[in-house]
Amino acid sequence: AQKVTQAQTEISVVEKEDVTLDCVYETRDTTYYLFWYKQPPSGELVFLIRRNSFDEQNEISGRYSWNFQKSTSSFNFTITASQVVDSAVYFCALSDQTGANNLFFGTGTRLTVIP
Amino acid sequence: GAVVSQHPSRVICKSGTSVKIECRSLDFQATTMFWYRQFPKQSLMLMATSNEGSKATYEQGVEKDKFLINHASLTLSTLTVTSAHPEDSSFYICSARDDNLGDYEQYFGPGTRLTVT
Repeated sequence: AQKVTQAQTEISVVEKEDVTLDCVYETRDTTYYLFWYKQPPSGELVFLIRRNSFDEQNEISGRYSWNFQKSTSSFNFTITASQVVDSAVYFCALSDQTGANNLFFGTGTRLTVIP
Repeated sequence: GAVVSQHPSRVICKSGTSVKIECRSLDFQATTMFWYRQFPKQSLMLMATSNEGSKATYEQGVEKDKFLINHASLTLSTLTVTSAHPEDSSFYICSARDDNLGDYEQYFGPGTRLTVT
């Protein structure tokens, strides 16, 4: 069965600090996709990244970076030099090899960046 | 990029009444649409999956007679909460996917906040 664990329920950091959001997943599939979404207070889900299970290269996009470790079934997300606008709930999600089934969401991590 | 809209964004209804939420794909064909429910400070839980022209597939524990889903066209799906009760108050989010693209990407709507009084 698919399962996504985000152990950090809430994190608070001071602006400009770096912060890492953890995501650990479970799946029996050999091919799968991992996602991160941002949900600001407005509620709309903002897509951040999708990663194929065969692609273990770390990715950097501006202040965002992702560390995919298949050996530990983790897909962690780091925000560098955090800003107040980064305050949101961040969800990690997993879908199966075809993506034909639903996304399995973690419980989310609420990030608060204090000015 | 692919845009999905939902209407209304917020709705308040009285207990016992029904309310319809629309989900539209604005610039692509939504061959598959998904409906999620999110209670405060909780994660998104899939309620049902629908393919255009077919009956929706409901997740375990979701009452199909209470949450009516109609995916009548490639750009529109509706969720009707029948005989709403206060415990149905939640944030309902739809997503849409064009299976013909082959990337299986789901595009999310902005959500509808339902309050049942």
